[in-house]
Amino acid sequence: DTGVSQNPRHKITKRGQNVTFRCDPISEHNRLYWYRQTLGQGPEFLTYFQNEAQLEKSRLLSDRFSAERPKGSFSTLEIQRTEQGDSAMYLCASSPGGRKGDRVTYEQYFGPGTRLTVT
Amino acid sequence: GDSVTQMEGPVTLSEEAFLTINCTYTATGYPSLFWYVQYPGEGLQLLLKATKADDKGSNKGFEATYRKETTSFHLEKGSVQVSDSAVYFCALSLMKTSYDKVIFGPGTSLSVIP
Repeated sequence: DTGVSQNPRHKITKRGQNVTFRCDPISEHNRLYWYRQTLGQGPEFLTYFQNEAQLEKSRLLSDRFSAERPKGSFSTLEIQRTEQGDSAMYLCASSPGGRKGDRVTYEQYFGPGTRLTVT
Repeated sequence: GDSVTQMEGPVTLSEEAFLTINCTYTATGYPSLFWYVQYPGEGLQLLLKATKADDKGSNKGFEATYRKETTSFHLEKGSVQVSDSAVYFCALSLMKTSYDKVIFGPGTSLSVIP
């Protein structure tokens, strides 16, 4: 396992269509994060999974967005009824950690991202 | 709220010039600090990190020192190369109840010309 992978790398879709992205984290990592990055900005947190449980969601994640991590391994991010404002790079990251009482900050390892263009 | 501010780019330097990219932060708590680099068409890679005051992170000739008194984590390199051309993001990480909350700055684009 050489790192976090994301598919597809690029997606062009028409407004109103649904899209789904996939993230495969580093295999021994139990924490998984989704971020959105728009042009000229740093990544913004969207949501977080510890194993299969989605424990945190940003207010950026509207009702049209849903994320899953069904078996605690890969994750999917779906956007329904896409809008032009959804055009961005969607980044996935994973990290170890998550043991009860853990008081250490863990480095997040990022995938290459999926660039979404909504026309 | 928690935030990271970076010097605005783009920054253009000649090869072998000295690089400084300023970064300051605001945080409730005691964050860890990071510099990430993003090469064209790629995801973010961790460049260096520091987890407590006065720690110096270093990697590939880049350095940054965690300054609690000035809430800063400026990135420096003594002699840049063309291959250093990329976007650099300063970030802080705070431990929350169940996860590490990472906040990124807006990024500083660096172009190094031969």
